[in-house]
Amino acid sequence: DGGITQSPKYLFRKEGQNVTLSCEQNLNHDAMYWYRQDPGQGLRLIYYSQIVNDFQKGDIAEGYSVSREKKESFPLTVTSAQKNPTAFYLCASRRGTEAFFGQGTRLTVV
Amino acid sequence: AQSVTQLGSHVSVSEGALVLLRCNYSSSVPPYLFWYVQYPNQGLQLLLKYTSAATLVKGINGFEAEFKKSETSFHLTKPSAHMSDAAEYFCAVSDSDSGYALNFGKGTSLLVTP
Repeated sequence: DGGITQSPKYLFRKEGQNVTLSCEQNLNHDAMYWYRQDPGQGLRLIYYSQIVNDFQKGDIAEGYSVSREKKESFPLTVTSAQKNPTAFYLCASRRGTEAFFGQGTRLTVV
Repeated sequence: AQSVTQLGSHVSVSEGALVLLRCNYSSSVPPYLFWYVQYPNQGLQLLLKYTSAATLVKGINGFEAEFKKSETSFHLTKPSAHMSDAAEYFCAVSDSDSGYALNFGKGTSLLVTP
């Protein structure tokens, strides 16, 4: 089955540690996206990539970093510079006008 | 940038009643508009999309939405609510300025009561 896989589903980290969230897709899509979801705020764009080895900042990129070394993979690193990292993170890829979402990773920083 | 506004963060309906979730868009060009549904701790599932073909768009699970340019609206409706429709609903617009990423509304939580 084709789709987008995010792992892990739940992640706990201590404050001050960097953490990397995985996003893999086997849909052969060029464009991939990372969103952050907080209660009552909808989804906000962190980073996006339209092609391998290229990516752009979204609306809330501060404290995050990404890489796009392979078409299938778009990992997101939440750095210690992110002031409030506890949130639900969603990865997506796009074909034409339609976006496909993974099941999300809930990150809790304690 | 293109944006959408969802009116009402919480909507409650009785089972069998009409569901109406409101969304207005802000765009200077014909937009691509979407409605997504999210169940707790899950990703988003596409309900329907408007891509300028037909103004009345039918989606999955009995939902439909009508694009009204004069009102800049794209409201989501379902004639008869089912308990399984209880979820969070997001309206979104595709933004060409950011690689066609989706700009989302803040979401509407739909509660269905027996």
